[in-house]
Amino acid sequence: AQSVAQPEDQVNVAEGNPLTVKCTYSVSGNPYLFWYVQYPNRGLQFLLKYITGDNLVKGSYGFEAEFNKSQTSFHLKKPSALVSDSALYFCAVRRSTSGTYKYIFGTGTRLKVLA
Amino acid sequence: AAGVIQSPRHLIKEKRETATLKCYPIPRHDTVYWYQQGPGQDPQFLISFYEKMQSDKGSIPDRFSAQQFSDYHSELNMSSLELGDSALYFCASSLIVGTGRDTEAFFGQGTRLTVV
Repeated sequence: AQSVAQPEDQVNVAEGNPLTVKCTYSVSGNPYLFWYVQYPNRGLQFLLKYITGDNLVKGSYGFEAEFNKSQTSFHLKKPSALVSDSALYFCAVRRSTSGTYKYIFGTGTRLKVLA
Repeated sequence: AAGVIQSPRHLIKEKRETATLKCYPIPRHDTVYWYQQGPGQDPQFLISFYEKMQSDKGSIPDRFSAQQFSDYHSELNMSSLELGDSALYFCASSLIVGTGRDTEAFFGQGTRLTVV
């Protein structure tokens, strides 16, 4: 079974400071990992993904994430937070096995960037 | 660029009524996913289709059914609606290529269903 854990319901960070939003996963086989962001009453917007290759992946709006297989983690990071980054962030996992394509989401982490 | 289109955007139904939600995936995408998101909750996987065949099934109630048509659009049919069905329903689409080249899932803006 696939599962994703986001241990923090909310993360507060001052504008200009680095931010980290944590995610750990459980899946059989090799994972495909994703980060999505959701603004109020909006759909989920794709930020970045890890499929294979370099463990550090870069995405939209200056976000990046590091895949750590031994720790089964895929934490989202940004060197300098903006107030406009305040939103709900979801980590998701999908099995790489063909024939099964569902994405399983974590419970989400609300990021608040304080001016 | 074309995105995933969902209709209607808002829907109000009474208990025990039926609702049909429609999803038009990004052109050339072969996989459609349906999710339910309750207030303050994470998106819960309902069902997915690959090349018009059901590929995965999640926590979809028996009162709900879905299908993907020959033009790849999908419909989620919900019958005997209950108050607890009030939620945001998202459709997403992706292209499955294989060998690690699949696209990510692109989400629509959602349909907000309110059951009164």
